[in-house]
Amino acid sequence: AQRVTQPEKLLSVFKGAPVELKCNYSYSGSPELFWYVQYSRQRLQLLLRHISRESIKGFTADLNKGETSFHLKKPFAQEEDSAMYYCALFLYNQGGKLIFGQGTELSVKP
Amino acid sequence: EAQVTQNPRYLITVTGKKLTVTCSQNMNHEYMSWYRQDPGLGLRQIYYSMNVEVTDKGDVPEGYKVSRKEKRNFPLILESPSPNQTSLYFCASSSADRVNGYTFGSGTRLTVV
Repeated sequence: AQRVTQPEKLLSVFKGAPVELKCNYSYSGSPELFWYVQYSRQRLQLLLRHISRESIKGFTADLNKGETSFHLKKPFAQEEDSAMYYCALFLYNQGGKLIFGQGTELSVKP
Repeated sequence: EAQVTQNPRYLITVTGKKLTVTCSQNMNHEYMSWYRQDPGLGLRQIYYSMNVEVTDKGDVPEGYKVSRKEKRNFPLILESPSPNQTSLYFCASSSADRVNGYTFGSGTRLTVV
């Protein structure tokens, strides 16, 4: 079954420390993965799409098909990075269904 | 401005009183979707649509209906709301090539008493 797993509910780091938010997926096809960010229960905003390989707000994510992972990383966390982060998997062969992990709350302390 | 617009933003209603939450996008997107967000449960998909007149159930469709008569609109209908449908609801849309991922609306906070 298709699934996205974010093992950490809460990740707390100090400002300037490196951050890694974990995401693992289960999907038999070729995965298409996204990271979304949500500040204070506002709308979700697209952070990264694995195909584009961009770096947004200093965040990067690499798709590792061998480990079925798509971890989100940032070398130096900022206080404004505090938010909920969701990993999502697009199921092309299921009519455009997008499934989300449970989310990780990132808290960056001063 | 390219956006997904949901209305209303806040709604308090009583059990059993039919309601509709509207969702409209101005980006000519093919895919549209509804999610509910609850504390500790994350985002769960209610219904999704890959184009006009094509809809499918998500993970939690019970108690909800949708329609996609026009490409831009994807209303969520609660025929007989119950308190367990109290939640934060998000509508989202995407182009078929997902070049910008799914764009989300601002959310509708629904309380059923």
